[in-house]
Amino acid sequence: EAQVTQNPRYLITVTGKKLTVTCSQNMNHEYMSWYRQDPGLGLRQIYYSMNVEVTDKGDVPEGYKVSRKEKRNFPLILESPSPNQTSLYFCASSSWGPPNSPLHFGNGTRLTVT
Amino acid sequence: RKEVEQDPGPFNVPEGATVAFNCTYSNSASQSFFWYRQDCRKEPKLLMSVYSSGNEDGRFTAQLNRASQYISLLIRDSKLSDSATYLCVVNIASGGSYIPTFGRGTSLIVHP
Repeated sequence: EAQVTQNPRYLITVTGKKLTVTCSQNMNHEYMSWYRQDPGLGLRQIYYSMNVEVTDKGDVPEGYKVSRKEKRNFPLILESPSPNQTSLYFCASSSWGPPNSPLHFGNGTRLTVT
Repeated sequence: RKEVEQDPGPFNVPEGATVAFNCTYSNSASQSFFWYRQDCRKEPKLLMSVYSSGNEDGRFTAQLNRASQYISLLIRDSKLSDSATYLCVVNIASGGSYIPTFGRGTSLIVHP
């Protein structure tokens, strides 16, 4: 089944404790992206990747890191989480085939930083 | 000015009503357009792509107006289950690739 898999679904952590949220897709998609969603602010892009070893900042990259060592995986790293990073996070991927390629989303990760 | 703009609503309509949302985009290099549906705290899911000639899928009709740079979504005979947030997504050409850009979403509440 074609899918984007994020883990974990829920995470509660403390300020400053490094964490990684994993994202994996099995559709051989070139494009992958991370978003955070907060009430009233919609989806905001954190980082995106056009392909392996190519990553770029989105609208709100501060406090986050990403890597794209292989096509299928795009982990999101919070080196020193802070309470303002409490949010709902989504990973998504799409193909660069024709321009009419929709995004496929993971189920989301709800992160709470205390 | 945000590149993709939507009226956040909420649009509050009775069952059976027809409701329409618009989404405007500012970048003329926009190549493709989509409507997504998002239920509370769930991932966005593709509702429909939007084609230049307009397209219909059951009770849903999507239109594109390139001259005025907006897309629209029309929902006929609204159901309670249509209550959700509708996100407009525009793929903007950039360096040979396409960057999906989201509007903030329009909230729809269908009541009995």
